Amino acid sequence: QKEVEQDPGPLSVPEGAIVSLNCTYSNSAFQYFMWYRQYSRKGPELLMYTYSSGNKEDGRFTAQVDKSSKYISLFIRDSQPSDSATYLCAMSAGGGSNYKLTFGKGTLLTVNP
Amino acid sequence: ETGVTQTPRHLVMGMTNKKSLKCEQHLGHNAMYWYKQSAKKPLELMFVYSLEERVENNSVPSRFSPECPNSSHLFLHLHTLQPEDSALYLCASSRGARTEAFFGQGTRLTVV
Repeated sequence: QKEVEQDPGPLSVPEGAIVSLNCTYSNSAFQYFMWYRQYSRKGPELLMYTYSSGNKEDGRFTAQVDKSSKYISLFIRDSQPSDSATYLCAMSAGGGSNYKLTFGKGTLLTVNP
Repeated sequence: ETGVTQTPRHLVMGMTNKKSLKCEQHLGHNAMYWYKQSAKKPLELMFVYSLEERVENNSVPSRFSPECPNSSHLFLHLHTLQPEDSALYLCASSRGARTEAFFGQGTRLTVV
């Protein structure tokens, strides 16, 4: 079983739709969770950062972490064509000298006008 | 710009060439990373430097040689690469124990 599983898509939605992106993981030591957005030919851009379980909201974006199910989600409300990108989940056990981020493969999202 | 600058943005090199990738961060971070991103694969961590000391080397072939002269600069020296090394090479930095990493725009490397 891979440490982090993420459906690569592609996912295509109409403008204004609610988008749900998900990752599952197997390492119960993970406690820091991130979502990155990567536009074509660009580096990943940090979108959301959460620690442990719970929800975090930032504008149209909501990140959810359910550590009991080892499942994280990113919701995008009122999706826009500018949201079209690859979304990468990443996670880490963090702390001390553990610098390693483990990434999912990324989900390619297209929002159609 | 993200505060992490990579040069060059694109590089084409032959298998017998020697080249270097450069990364500079302006965020005051003390950890820097090299990642490899290949098509349809997750980002692969290659090297981690913390306070200019290499703390992780993820079984990367010796044809890749990192160098971190100070906390703001990171290099990746390349020699005798193989076509399968063609990928997007990403530099990132973070603030020590905090684990969110900030990435540069990457160097698109093609080995011919």
